[in-house]
Amino acid sequence: RKEVEQDPGPFNVPEGATVAFNCTYSNSASQSFFWYRQDCRKEPKLLMSVYSSGNEDGRFTAQLNRASQYISLLIRDSKLSDSATYLCVVKLLNSNSGYALNFGKGTSLLVTP
Amino acid sequence: NAGVTQTPKFQVLKTGQSMTLQCAQDMNHNSMYWYRQDPGMGLRLIYYSASEGTTDKGEVPNGYNVSRLNKREFSLRLESAAPSQTSVYFCASSEGLYYSNQPQHFGDGTRLSIL
Repeated sequence: RKEVEQDPGPFNVPEGATVAFNCTYSNSASQSFFWYRQDCRKEPKLLMSVYSSGNEDGRFTAQLNRASQYISLLIRDSKLSDSATYLCVVKLLNSNSGYALNFGKGTSLLVTP
Repeated sequence: NAGVTQTPKFQVLKTGQSMTLQCAQDMNHNSMYWYRQDPGMGLRLIYYSASEGTTDKGEVPNGYNVSRLNKREFSLRLESAAPSQTSVYFCASSEGLYYSNQPQHFGDGTRLSIL
């Protein structure tokens, strides 16, 4: 089982739509969670960290469910510029497992006019 | 503010050749990382350096060596390149891997092809 699993998509949505991405992780000791965005042939860039209480940044909302080991990203009022691949990232650091930053393979989003 | 700078951006090698990928960051970060990204595989950690003077293996270290030259620079070396090492390589840095919510900042990648 992969450490971090995401639906690869692609998700094709019209402008203005709401779209949700899901991510599950396998190690319950994971400590930190992030969503990164990666444009085609570019480097990953941090979109937002994910906090236990959930957090919002403009049109983007991230949720964490530790009991289910599940992370989500909601994008409201999609823009053409939101087209990219969204990477779920999970960090683990402890004395048993050492350090690991596990990336999902990414979910591809295409927003169309 | 350049952030994380990688050189070269593109490289073609023949099997068996060696080369070093350079990475430098100007954010005074303690930790640095090397990843490779292959289609359908996602990003995989090759090596990391938690702080100046230390390096550790990641998920896929075989065929690579690293040097943390100083706080700013972290290089990745392929001693004898193989076609399986054709990939896009990303260097990243963060304030410190022991800080839970500190994100990583990535360079814009090196596209390496080995023939």
